[in-house]
Amino acid sequence: GAVVSQHPSWVICKSGTSVKIECRSLDFQATTMFWYRQFPKQSLMLMATSNEGSKATYEQGVEKDKFLINHASLTLSTLTVTSAHPEDSSFYICSGLQTGFRQYFGPGTRLTVT
Amino acid sequence: GIQVEQSPPDLILQEGANSTLRCNFSDSVNNLQWFHQNPWGQLINLFYIPSGTKQNGRLSATTVATERYSLLYISSSQTTDSGVYFCALRRTNAGKSTFGDGTTLTVKP
Repeated sequence: GAVVSQHPSWVICKSGTSVKIECRSLDFQATTMFWYRQFPKQSLMLMATSNEGSKATYEQGVEKDKFLINHASLTLSTLTVTSAHPEDSSFYICSGLQTGFRQYFGPGTRLTVT
Repeated sequence: GIQVEQSPPDLILQEGANSTLRCNFSDSVNNLQWFHQNPWGQLINLFYIPSGTKQNGRLSATTVATERYSLLYISSSQTTDSGVYFCALRRTNAGKSTFGDGTTLTVKP
């Protein structure tokens, strides 16, 4: 199956700082990538859909100025959490959509804001 | 949007037992996948199954699109099968997925 990597796998940052998470499709080109967040014992919540070369589409209730998404190439998308606060602490997961329309997930990034 | 309901929410089995997980959905879909989220959070693709039946080792899945449900069968369960199983659906192949709430499976030795 296709492989998606995420970096970092975990990060601790101070309140008010920004954190960037990278998502790469290693062996396929992902025209579309999705960003999710997941709270403990809950399902995945879609934050935004990013298409290569265009602006991301954010789900209702997700602040686009706080969660900046860039999809600069067919293999790389980044999520920047700006001015992070403790309530942003969560598990963030990216996913690439492979031709044939199967979705493959990265291993996730655990963010803790102190 | 599409409503997705997974059952049961929790399942505890002894090693070696079989189980059936169910995913009901409210609308017609072009794309359905089953995933296993392991205890470390990684989501692993199990099946891409918008219709029909597929088997992969001890796991198999069946989707009856006309009746809007999908089933995931796990036979001879092992402790490594523990985790959360999600079904995810998309109306169109390029659209966003809607996830069910998952079934948490615990397999005891």
